[in-house]
Amino acid sequence: AQSVTQLGSHVSVSEGALVLLRCNYSSSVPPYLFWYVQYPNQGLQLLLKYTTGATLVKGINGFEAEFKKSETSFHLTKPSAHMSDAAEYFCAVSALGSGNTGKLIFGQGTTLQVKP
Amino acid sequence: GAGVSQSPSNKVTEKGKDVELRCDPISGHTALYWYRQSLGQGLEFLIYFQGNSAPDKSGLPSDRFSAERTGGSVSTLTIQRTQQEDSAVYLCASSLGGTLFNEQFFGPGTRLTVL
Repeated sequence: AQSVTQLGSHVSVSEGALVLLRCNYSSSVPPYLFWYVQYPNQGLQLLLKYTTGATLVKGINGFEAEFKKSETSFHLTKPSAHMSDAAEYFCAVSALGSGNTGKLIFGQGTTLQVKP
Repeated sequence: GAGVSQSPSNKVTEKGKDVELRCDPISGHTALYWYRQSLGQGLEFLIYFQGNSAPDKSGLPSDRFSAERTGGSVSTLTIQRTQQEDSAVYLCASSLGGTLFNEQFFGPGTRLTVL
């Protein structure tokens, strides 16, 4: 079975500072990994995903994440935070099972606060 | 183009009542998922539909929960005899195909409050 752990339910950074949101996964098979962002009162929006190939994945809004198999991690980073980045971020793994349905298993989420 | 839509956006009901939540997926998307987002449990998978295949109901928390998808498009999630612990945001997502790497597009959710 797969699982996801996001370290830190709340992260606060200053505008212009580096953003680092941590995600570790557990999977007995090669995982497919995702980061989603949720703005207040909205649905989830895909930031980026890792399936196969290049382990450094670039997404929208300047975010990127690196798949590190040896560390079972998929941390999300952005070099310079903007006020508009304030939101809740979810790391997810695509669950393998009967029929490989693609259902997602989510971490608990990390709320990013950006201070002016 | 139009995204995933859900209705109602908010639903307040009394304990013991039945509720129906609706999801309109993106046109042409064959896969449809329901998730629940609650303070205590985070984001949980509920049920999955793909074409004419039997749905994956493995995430439904009890037999009070059911869902159907008519004509391969619109889906309805029904909760019978609602309980206070059913209070949550119910999210629907659709994708082109139900595989591991197809992007799932999420609707804005229905916030259910059970009094």
